[in-house]
Amino acid sequence: SQQGEEDPQALSIQEGENATMNCSYKTSINNLQWYRQNSGRGLVHLILIRSNEREKHSGRLRVTLDTSKKSSSLLITASRAADTASYFCATASPSGAGSYQLTFGKGTKLSVIP
Amino acid sequence: DTEVTQTPKHLVMGMTNKKSLKCEQHMGHRAMYWYKQKAKKPPELMFVYSYEKLSINESVPSRFSPECPNSSLLNLHLHALQPEDSALYLCASSQEPRSGSPYEQYFGPGTRLTVT
Repeated sequence: SQQGEEDPQALSIQEGENATMNCSYKTSINNLQWYRQNSGRGLVHLILIRSNEREKHSGRLRVTLDTSKKSSSLLITASRAADTASYFCATASPSGAGSYQLTFGKGTKLSVIP
Repeated sequence: DTEVTQTPKHLVMGMTNKKSLKCEQHMGHRAMYWYKQKAKKPPELMFVYSYEKLSINESVPSRFSPECPNSSLLNLHLHALQPEDSALYLCASSQEPRSGSPYEQYFGPGTRLTVT
């Protein structure tokens, strides 16, 4: 079942602007991860934030996590045309017998216009 | 080597065919996954293998049969599929969780499957 819900579903911005995507989830998590997917291709891991962390940075990416609100945001600063892709949040939750599974949100399709 | 490879890239099969999808990684990961992704939808987990043993089966129909011959390889055997099974099939791998902390997953480029 899908747990993460991204908002907005689609986002179109000019190159150089910042892009913010939000994700909400329903159950308790161990960590939350963000992935990028270029059209019809595999997913690329961007950043992982643990449930006891509130903010994390990686290059032009900034992720926040609010476990009380069960929400996360991904900020891409100074966007580039190459950032055009779909972005998914994924929550990591235990699924028994020591295993974990990722449950992906619906995704945000980002278009960066040169 | 941080690459997960998948073959074939594209596959067209009839409903009576038997085919297999293959996935390989050489990162020493002991957890491997199969996902199914329909167009404009997020990936949906199908199977999880941990140390070559099936640990999660997300109620996938028996026409999909996974196999993990060794720690580097993961197969998905297909038989008597339906047109609605047409999708992008993604393989992923990760380190096994330690101290209750799961790691990021590395994805292959996927196999685009069309069932006619």
